[in-house]
Amino acid sequence: DTGVSQDPRHKITKRGQNVTFRCDPISEHNRLYWYRQTLGQGPEFLTYFQNEAQLEKSRLLSDRFSAERPKGSFSTLEIQRTEQGDSAMYLCASRLTVAGQNTGELFFGEGSRLTVL
Amino acid sequence: GNSVTQMEGPVTLSEEAFLTINCTYTATGYPSLFWYVQYPGEGLQLLLKATKADDKGSNKGFEATYRKETTSFHLEKGSVQVSDSAVYFCASSLNTGFQKLVFGTGTRLLVSP
Repeated sequence: DTGVSQDPRHKITKRGQNVTFRCDPISEHNRLYWYRQTLGQGPEFLTYFQNEAQLEKSRLLSDRFSAERPKGSFSTLEIQRTEQGDSAMYLCASRLTVAGQNTGELFFGEGSRLTVL
Repeated sequence: GNSVTQMEGPVTLSEEAFLTINCTYTATGYPSLFWYVQYPGEGLQLLLKATKADDKGSNKGFEATYRKETTSFHLEKGSVQVSDSAVYFCASSLNTGFQKLVFGTGTRLLVSP
């Protein structure tokens, strides 16, 4: 399978614990996005990377959240001191940007569901 | 700002019925518009898109026309199938760099035989 993969698919944790999610984008894609989706809502933008550079962060991304893409390939999203309000589906998406040829299409993974007890 | 509003679901239809899912947008500029679909147990995938006014996006029998005068991008299909049951998300992207998508809340479609 050469799509976007995310791991783990489901994480249950206790409040106050740290969790880390990993995303492996489609191999040639230089842009990687993280979104959060809560029940009954659409995905909300969190942050994105162009290669290894984090270019934008949403206000939703509090200082308990940190995302990295150290070598411009896979990315991790860490949440420290989790709270019940962090319970959501965390979606990763990627795409290839080529000057003058952007289609705007994002390729999404199946998501990592976080449940904070 | 940039936002998208779509009709609440669920939308329940019988097979071969006509489908409309409404979507309107607000934007300070001229966004590109998208419909994404999420089938049960799968990730979101692009269904169709339109990048400028009066463009019509189409795919798998679905269509949507970018209407600048009504700031709308309604999704339509003439004859739905059971396999179309999914959650449909309208989305917009403000600038030509497609930096990020802003999504609506999603509309669940249930098609019965």
